[in-house]
Amino acid sequence: GQQLNQSPQSMFIQEGEDVSMNCTSSSIFNTWLWYKQDPGEGPVLLIALYKAGELTSNGRLTAQFGITRKDSFLNISASIPSDVGIYFCAGYNAGNNRKLIWGLGTSLAVNP
Amino acid sequence: GAGVSQTPSNKVTEKGKYVELRCDPISGHTALYWYRQSLGQGPEFLIYFQGTGAADDSGLPNDRFFAVRPEGSVSTLKIQRTERGDSAVYLCASSRQGGEKLFFGSGTQLSVL
Repeated sequence: GQQLNQSPQSMFIQEGEDVSMNCTSSSIFNTWLWYKQDPGEGPVLLIALYKAGELTSNGRLTAQFGITRKDSFLNISASIPSDVGIYFCAGYNAGNNRKLIWGLGTSLAVNP
Repeated sequence: GAGVSQTPSNKVTEKGKYVELRCDPISGHTALYWYRQSLGQGPEFLIYFQGTGAADDSGLPNDRFFAVRPEGSVSTLKIQRTERGDSAVYLCASSRQGGEKLFFGSGTQLSVL
């Protein structure tokens, strides 16, 4: 099925550094969601975006809904060890608001 | 409960056996979803319920997979004649009405030997 292009696939950073990851699609999306998944757990919603150009923050996390409606990015500022995990972008495209389409995830490792 | 609850957390079975996986969604959420996640992949859509009815079952891989939600709350995913390729984490999610933010359970790790 359709998947989003998410990059980078993995990142290894030092504690305190900022992190940026992004997602692109070949089709227009109406909603972008960013999730974090820890081992043995289900994905946990971090940020939801509903309008083109929207910039939303949740603590040290900031995400934006791209103007073209075909991309989104997530930034994490001043990373800490508990930021470790897999980050997934997901979204609903204009043709189907019930089937969430997912990226393959960005695996983040933080060196204390 | 406060979140989506899935049982069992782990299930080991033999090839050819029948399994049932249970999901208890967040109270008041009318939409319920089943996803399957393999290692290194994002969740893969299986089926979506709005109330008691399956509004979209296009993600079910074949007729060995079936899901029910008889009273519009708890849902059971049923897999007949399990195959080794069915091994994965099965995730359940719910949302208030559908088409918006999904809240996930911790999943059931299914291992078919």
